[in-house]
Amino acid sequence: SELTQDPAVSVALGQTVRITCQGDSLRSSFGSWYQQKPGQAPVLVIYGKTNRPSGIPDRFSGSSSGNTASLTITGAQAEDEADYYCNSRDSSGDHLNWVFGGGTKLTVL
Amino acid sequence: QVQLVESGGGVVQPGGSLRLSCVASGFTFSSYGMHWVRQAPGKGLEWVAFLRYDGSKNYYADSVKGRFTISRDTSKNTLFLQMNSLSSADTALYYCAKGHDYGDSYLASWGQGTLVTVSS
Repeated sequence: SELTQDPAVSVALGQTVRITCQGDSLRSSFGSWYQQKPGQAPVLVIYGKTNRPSGIPDRFSGSSSGNTASLTITGAQAEDEADYYCNSRDSSGDHLNWVFGGGTKLTVL
Repeated sequence: QVQLVESGGGVVQPGGSLRLSCVASGFTFSSYGMHWVRQAPGKGLEWVAFLRYDGSKNYYADSVKGRFTISRDTSKNTLFLQMNSLSSADTALYYCAKGHDYGDSYLASWGQGTLVTVSS
């Protein structure tokens, strides 16, 4: 199973941007979103469709419908410029597999 | 707080082996599922392997199945990844990650990674 993301997205400072992720595994798994800045490890920003870990600003939100998961940043800040990856679990019989999307590079203009 | 520290990376020749370690602290290691994820230079994230919280089940990406083995030593709070039959396609930064309280499918905390380079 694959997860498809747009390779690059841009947003004006303070505006709202939505990053999407499509894949069949999202029909049965809410998935999660990770932010990765250059030279740093990924950070979980959204899990279980809409949940934010502590310390993640509330301008980050998630949603999911059918085979599409979305990450929305409302009022994007310069520090939000990063690569964003979606991830979901895929199950086939008794085998589990986790898949990452190809990543979306977010540029804040 | 949660800390994950990977080690064991380095340069290895094609066909060689390497064992990565990830020392965990700040949480009850034996209560959480653990993942290995890798990132080739300039590329995206690729999930590699998962070990269930009780050590009873492990799962692997097709790209590493039969070559890599995930294991742990709970007495040392350490996760391992034994990598055999390495090729240039395995060159990457390898991260270990801890499952979330909400579910092992969410990678709540990550280490800083250890770099594996497969080259002759």
